[in-house]
Amino acid sequence: KQEVTQIPAALSVPEGENLVLNCSFTDSAIYNLQWFRQDPGKGLTSLLLIQSSQREQTSGRLNASLDKSSGRSTLYIAASQPGDSATYLCAVELQGGSEKLVFGKGTKLTVNP
Amino acid sequence: GAVVSQHPSWVICKSGTSVKIECRSLDFQATTMFWYRQFPKQSLMLMATSNEGSKATYEQGVEKDKFLINHASLTLSTLTVTSAHPEDSSFYICSARSRVTYEQYFGPGTRLTVT
Repeated sequence: KQEVTQIPAALSVPEGENLVLNCSFTDSAIYNLQWFRQDPGKGLTSLLLIQSSQREQTSGRLNASLDKSSGRSTLYIAASQPGDSATYLCAVELQGGSEKLVFGKGTKLTVNP
Repeated sequence: GAVVSQHPSWVICKSGTSVKIECRSLDFQATTMFWYRQFPKQSLMLMATSNEGSKATYEQGVEKDKFLINHASLTLSTLTVTSAHPEDSSFYICSARSRVTYEQYFGPGTRLTVT
């Protein structure tokens, strides 16, 4: 059974700092991995999607890497801003076309002005 | 961009009543829609997968007679929580998979509180 773990569970940093969020998964047979942002009481916003054949994806100040063999992904946020404060969720889509996403519990990020 | 809406955004109901939640893809057709449940400080847990015109596929441990799913068209799926109890109180989120891009787009969620 696929399990997704995110470390740390919570992170508080001063504005301007670069930071890394970690995600690990137990079964490397994934179709893709996706990072989402969730604001309190809201739905999910997709940030980056990495196909299983890719190593990384970048969007603005965000960079996500994927090491499928070791079952790890990182989300790097450069020059953090208070508006980045949210919970960041990592999810893997299972291989085989099931379309199912398995989510981690998320990392709650607080960026202090 | 692709937008998924949910209605209502929040609902309070009495124990024993039924509640219907709608999930709509506003500007695209969805081959598949998914229903998730999220308890406080917990991960999203997939409840069921819904395909237009066919019966939903439920995850292990999810009661299909309690959580009725109807996927009437390529843009609408509904989740009905029947005979709701306080333990059903949760945040319910749907997602829709585009027929064109195959990406999943998430709705804003529905907060259900059963008193």
